[in-house]
Amino acid sequence: GNSVTQMEGPVTLSEEAFLTINCTYTATGYPSLFWYVQYPGEGLQLLLKATKADDKGSNKGFEATYRKETTSFHLEKGSVQVSDSAVYFCALSKRTGANNLFFGTGTRLTVIP
Amino acid sequence: NAGVTQTPKFQVLKTGQSMTLQCAQDMNHNSMYWYRQDPGMGLRLIYYSASEGTTDKGEVPNGYNVSRLNKREFSLRLESAAPSQTSVYFCASSLDKSYEQYFGPGTRLTVT
Repeated sequence: GNSVTQMEGPVTLSEEAFLTINCTYTATGYPSLFWYVQYPGEGLQLLLKATKADDKGSNKGFEATYRKETTSFHLEKGSVQVSDSAVYFCALSKRTGANNLFFGTGTRLTVIP
Repeated sequence: NAGVTQTPKFQVLKTGQSMTLQCAQDMNHNSMYWYRQDPGMGLRLIYYSASEGTTDKGEVPNGYNVSRLNKREFSLRLESAAPSQTSVYFCASSLDKSYEQYFGPGTRLTVT
């Protein structure tokens, strides 16, 4: 089947610290991979994506590389800010079939000044 | 360009009451989705509509019905609300079912 496993939170970091949120997936075929972010009181927003192996998605200083050999898509940022405090969701999308987007359970990040 | 809009933002129902959650998108997307978000469980797909005129069950469809009224609008109906349906409901849309999804701001529903 298709599933996404994220590291459990919550994660608390000081401002300017390095961030890694782990994500691994199980899928048939060749899925696209996404990171979504949910700020307090808001809906999910697409943060970055990668559609094939070895692709690197990047946005707002965040990066994630599609690693087929380890079935991973870890989210990283070199220096977090207070404004990055949010819940981060890893997701995969199958290219074919019906029900196509599968989410991880989310990781809450809090950045303290 | 409002993106995906949802109404209402908050709702409290008594067990057994019915209600309809409304969703509309102005991006000319073909596919639309309804999710529920519960603590520690991420988002789970309730129903989706791959294109106008079609709807299909997702992971957790029991207790819900949907209507794809036209290309813009996709509503979710609870015929007889139960406390287990207390959740935050998100509507989303995508150009096609293989593209990234865009989410509305959510509806927080409490069933007492």
